[in-house]
Amino acid sequence: EAEVAQSPRYKITEKSQAVAFWCDPISGHATLYWYRQILGQGPELLVQFQDESVVDDSQLPKDRFSAERLKGVDSTLKIQPAELGDSAMYLCASAGGSAYEQYFGPGTRLTVT
Amino acid sequence: KNEVEQSPQNLTAQEGEFITINCSYSVGISALHWLQQHPGGGIVSLFMLSSGKKKHGRLIATINIQEKHSSLHITASHPRDSAVYICAVREGKLTFGTGTRLTIIP
Repeated sequence: EAEVAQSPRYKITEKSQAVAFWCDPISGHATLYWYRQILGQGPELLVQFQDESVVDDSQLPKDRFSAERLKGVDSTLKIQPAELGDSAMYLCASAGGSAYEQYFGPGTRLTVT
Repeated sequence: KNEVEQSPQNLTAQEGEFITINCSYSVGISALHWLQQHPGGGIVSLFMLSSGKKKHGRLIATINIQEKHSSLHITASHPRDSAVYICAVREGKLTFGTGTRLTIIP
């Protein structure tokens, strides 16, 4: 069964360092989402792509976060510089066509020290 | 912005018990999702519904659009059902509840 892939699964970094996460959606899925989930809370949308275009990045802290999906397939989320408050689970999800159902990857757990 | 509230926040039950998790939201939606998140983080979609009731195995999800309320039921609960159950509502984008942590004791 096709799955959303994410790497790394775990990342520990010091504050002020740069960190990057990668997501490979299910093949053929045009819509890709990045979410941030702080411990004990529900996921919060950071950015939504439709193919290579950003549809919604209203909650993305653009002074330090950036996201790209250059060829409309896999995507990278970057944080520079990382802050202690960025410690969270970063989830990627994808959806195909006009389907509402999203398929989630395993997530990247980021710890900033 | 839609406010999504789940109850209870934490639930511990004995194996075999009937489980109910509730979700309320504040604004009209096009669909409601129930998701399961196991330790380690991965999220699995259980149900997507916009009206009525859906059943899959021991899981049942219902929604009352007029009352802006949904419930997730688990029959004959089992320790492997232990997870966080998250309700998410769609009005354009998804808004997630904070989840219900379910622990089933053998």
